[in-house]
Amino acid sequence: DGGITQSPKYLFRKEGQNVTLSCEQNLNHDAMYWYRQDPGQGLRLIYYSQIVNDFQKGDIAEGYSVSREKKESFPLTVTSAQKNPTAFYLCASSIDAHKGEQFFGPGTRLTVL
Amino acid sequence: AQSVTQLDSQVPVFEEAPVELRCNYSSSVSVYLFWYVQYPNQGLQLLLKYLSGSTLVKGINGFEAEFNKSQTSFHLRKPSVHISDTAEYFCAVSNTGNQFYFGTGTSLTVIP
Repeated sequence: DGGITQSPKYLFRKEGQNVTLSCEQNLNHDAMYWYRQDPGQGLRLIYYSQIVNDFQKGDIAEGYSVSREKKESFPLTVTSAQKNPTAFYLCASSIDAHKGEQFFGPGTRLTVL
Repeated sequence: AQSVTQLDSQVPVFEEAPVELRCNYSSSVSVYLFWYVQYPNQGLQLLLKYLSGSTLVKGINGFEAEFNKSQTSFHLRKPSVHISDTAEYFCAVSNTGNQFYFGTGTSLTVIP
């Protein structure tokens, strides 16, 4: 089955540690996205990538980093510089970045202890 | 940049009653419009989309939406809701740029 997978489903980290969230898609989509979701704030774009080896900052990129070495994979690293990292993180992909719907993964809930 | 406004943060409705969830967006030359549904602790699932053509769009689970260009609206409707429709609903807009713009969501609660 084609789709987007995110792992792990739940993640706990100690303050001051970096952590990497995985996102993989087998839809052959060029564009991939990372969103952060907080209660009452909807989805906020962290980073997006239109093609392999290229990515752009979204609205709230500070404290996060990404890479896009393969078309299928777009991992997100939450660094210790992110002041309030506890949130629900959603990865998405689309055929291209200019139109068409985005397909979402199941999400990763990150809790900083 | 686009902006998307979902006018109601919470909508309670009795089972089998009709419902309308409102969405307005800032004006643009051409836009693509979407409604997504999110169940607790899950990702977003596409309900329906408007890319072009007929302004009345039908989606999954009996939902439909109407694109109104003059009012820059894309309201979601269902004539008779079920308990299983209880979820968070997001309106989204994209244009010829690179990004999607999401509303802040409407929490629909269906009351038995």
